Amino acid sequence: EVQLVESGGGLVQPGGSLRLSCAASGFTFSDYEMNWVRQAPGKGLEWVSYISSGGSTIKYAESVKGRFTISRDNAKNSLYLQMNSLGAEDTAIYYCARAPIPVAGTFDYWGQGTLVSVSS
Amino acid sequence: DIQMTQSPSTLSASVGDRVTITCRASQSISTWLAWYQQKPGEAPQLLIYQASSLASGVPSRFSGSGSGTEFSLTISSLQPDDFATYYCQQYNSYSITFGQGTRLEIK
Repeated sequence: EVQLVESGGGLVQPGGSLRLSCAASGFTFSDYEMNWVRQAPGKGLEWVSYISSGGSTIKYAESVKGRFTISRDNAKNSLYLQMNSLGAEDTAIYYCARAPIPVAGTFDYWGQGTLVSVSS
Repeated sequence: DIQMTQSPSTLSASVGDRVTITCRASQSISTWLAWYQQKPGEAPQLLIYQASSLASGVPSRFSGSGSGTEFSLTISSLQPDDFATYYCQQYNSYSITFGQGTRLEIK
């Protein structure tokens, strides 16, 4: 069974940093492209970042470019999101999401999400 | 970025109804469009990809159509489990964007 489990969310002050993790199981993690998608409370979905299966290609939404860094460790079946210079606009549930093969660009499995709250 | 606009924002319907949700892209995205269902407190679930292909395990009452800039999601006969929020998503380019969502509620 495919499972994605996020962790690392919490309350952080404006300007602070946080590192999210996503532990994957039930599939060959190194074969799949992965993404982070977020959802502000009561709002819609916003794609945040993408990383290719080997980690060589990375993309970001303009809203987080220069502040967030996506990475992965295929040996540990884990995806990460380093978030710096956080602002109130980054408050959201953060989901890790798998892109299916061969239809990359969509998200066929999602984690349960981890809540990031940015507030003083 | 490509803007995705869904209509309506809220839709009231009854069990057994046939309903259609529309999604419009600000520029052509061929058929690089997906639809998701999200229930309160849950992660989204992929319903449709490439505009009209049904994702694995999704009931056949869901269908998608369209190409270019105009797309639709149709539920042929609403079931109680279908009352949720629906999002379209384009993946013509990475930057991926979603529609604002359509809340489907019980009339």
